[in-house]
Amino acid sequence: TQLLEQSPQFLSIQEGENLTVYCNSSSVFSSLQWYRQEPGEGPVLLVTVVTGGEVKKLKRLTFQFGDARKDSSLHITAAQPGDTGLYLCAGAPGNTGKLIFGQGTTLQVKP
Amino acid sequence: KAGVTQTPRYLIKTRGQQVTLSCSPISGHRSVSWYQQTPGQGLQFLFEYFSETQRNKGNFPGRFSGRQFSNSRSEMNVSTLELGDSALYLCASSFTGGYTDTQYFGPGTRLTVL
Repeated sequence: TQLLEQSPQFLSIQEGENLTVYCNSSSVFSSLQWYRQEPGEGPVLLVTVVTGGEVKKLKRLTFQFGDARKDSSLHITAAQPGDTGLYLCAGAPGNTGKLIFGQGTTLQVKP
Repeated sequence: KAGVTQTPRYLIKTRGQQVTLSCSPISGHRSVSWYQQTPGQGLQFLFEYFSETQRNKGNFPGRFSGRQFSNSRSEMNVSTLELGDSALYLCASSFTGGYTDTQYFGPGTRLTVL
C-alpha cells in the first residue's frame, strides 16, 4: 500500500516567518500534487510536480520533488495570514486518477 | 465557468438510515471521484466514475455505493449509516480522470450521523 506521510501536522507561526512542509513515501510516484484547503471548501490544487528534482515556484511558495520521486517539500517564504489553511500532498498510485492524500499540515499564520 | 457543485451542503441523519449525496461536475468533465474526509483518517478515496462506469474503488464497505448518469452527474449512497460515517464527503471532477488530469473539488457535503 502506498502511503504519504506529511510533517509537521500542525504549524503555528508569526507573519513573516519561513516554513517547510514535508511529504514522504517509501514508494515512487509518477507525480505528486499539493493542495490547499480552507474551512468550508474543497481542496484547491496549487501545483503538480512530475520530474525528479523538479522545483516549481508559485509566488512565495516553492515546491520540490525529490530526485527519487518518493518525497516532496513545500517551502513558504515570508508567510502571511492569507496562507493559513490545510496543506495536503497527494499522489496517484499506478498512474490512475485515484488520489491518495497525506494527513495534511494545518498552518496558522498569526499577524 | 461554474465549479463543481454538491448538494446538500449539510445533512443530519440517525444511525441505520440511508443517505444520497449529489455531485454536478464542471461542464465537459466526464470523471467524477468521491472522497471521505475525517479528522482521524484524513482524505480517503471512495470511488471514481467515468462515462457511467465505476473505474476505481477504494477500501470502503459495500454500504458505500455510487452511480453516474449520462450527463456526468453523480450520486453516492450510504446505507445503514453508522456513527463513524460522519464526515465531509467531497467530490472532484476532471476531464478524463487520468493521473495528470487536474481534479477540481466541490465544497463538500457535511454529514453528521447521530
